[in-house]
Amino acid sequence: GQNIDQPTEMTATEGAIVQINCTYQTSGFNGLFWYQQHAGEAPTFLSYNVLDGLEEKGRFSSFLSRSKGYSYLLLKELQMKDSASYLCAVIDTDKLIFGTGTRLQVFP
Amino acid sequence: NAGVTQTPKFRILKIGQSMTLQCTQDMNHNYMYWYRQDPGMGLKLIYYSVGAGITDKGEVPNGYNVSRSTTEDFPLRLELAAPSQTSVYFCASSSLGLDYEQFFGPGTRLTVL
Repeated sequence: GQNIDQPTEMTATEGAIVQINCTYQTSGFNGLFWYQQHAGEAPTFLSYNVLDGLEEKGRFSSFLSRSKGYSYLLLKELQMKDSASYLCAVIDTDKLIFGTGTRLQVFP
Repeated sequence: NAGVTQTPKFRILKIGQSMTLQCTQDMNHNYMYWYRQDPGMGLKLIYYSVGAGITDKGEVPNGYNVSRSTTEDFPLRLELAAPSQTSVYFCASSSLGLDYEQFFGPGTRLTVL
């Protein structure tokens, strides 16, 4: 079956580091995406992982462990504009399945 | 490039009415998708297309129809609107398959009363 779990909400302080976790169960894993979605707007692409390890892109990094069915998105030097929902999406065989998203609020 | 555009931005329908949500992309992408997003929920795939003339059902296709006569356009048709179809609808496109970044349109917020 397909199941993606993310925390519903998280809060953090400007300038801090936050880690958003995503666990998944799939029949045939073929890759994992992270998308950012500001309230009332469309999702935008952040990262894609298909091999184990860490992918770094500026202030954002994404990690994948296929054997553990686990990924995280790491946001460094948080800014107010990082307040948004972060969607984990997994390719299961031939389907892209989205999690319900983690709403991150950054406070001054 | 405008990317992916959707019209209308907002619409209120009465139960039983029909409408077409328009989606156009100017990136020459082969793959196009329609999703719905209910409050607090993830995106659910309604229909997708891998190229002009080819469409296929996603996870929640009931009550919807699509067509893909050109590479650029992928309209979504709602027949006999129901309150359960109240949602935000996003169209997206990608150059190749699922393992490529999807570019999303701004969304259409639909309310069925």
